[in-house]
Amino acid sequence: GNSVTQMEGPVTLSEEAFLTINCTYTATGYPSLFWYVQYPGEGLQLLLKATKADDKGSNKGFEATYRKETTSFHLEKGSVQVSDSAVYFCALMAGGFKTIFGAGTRLFVKA
Amino acid sequence: DTAVSQTPKYLVTQMGNDKSIKCEQNLGHDTMYWYKQDSKKFLKIMFSYNNKELIINETVPNRFSPKSPDKAHLNLHINSLELGDSAVYFCASSRNRDEQYFGPGTRLTVT
Repeated sequence: GNSVTQMEGPVTLSEEAFLTINCTYTATGYPSLFWYVQYPGEGLQLLLKATKADDKGSNKGFEATYRKETTSFHLEKGSVQVSDSAVYFCALMAGGFKTIFGAGTRLFVKA
Repeated sequence: DTAVSQTPKYLVTQMGNDKSIKCEQNLGHDTMYWYKQDSKKFLKIMFSYNNKELIINETVPNRFSPKSPDKAHLNLHINSLELGDSAVYFCASSRNRDEQYFGPGTRLTVT
């Protein structure tokens, strides 16, 4: 079946450090891939998405590239801020209406 | 204007009681969802409706019953509440098979 695996957290970084959160997936067909972010006390919100191989999604300085050959969609940001502290979820949608979410990775950014 | 709203935001109740959570979206979306998020932030799909028709019904105790009176509303009724039902419940909506918009969540505490 379809699944998403993302790196376990928490990830703790200093401000202005480089961020990578790994995400790999298993899916039949050609899924759409998403990163969602959940700030403390809030619901999830879409951060970026990619709908086909080699697409790059980007938003707020975050980027992720849909790599079909490695079935990956790693999230990166060149310089994190304290305000980026949140839980990040990798997700896929492969036909149907069901979105499969990863377990979430908590990010702490220290000033 | 809030896109996806839920009421109440907090719900504290005793075991054995029956309670409802309401969700409304003003985005004109066709599909709505209920998720349960546990204390480790793991997100589990419970139900989904598309144009008022139930399309996802995961392995959830039958004490949980969704109701969609129209495309803009999806309510969740829970009978005979148990301690294990304590969690944050999120409503979400989407335009067919696209990214989801989440509500702010309802934190349910069963004592």
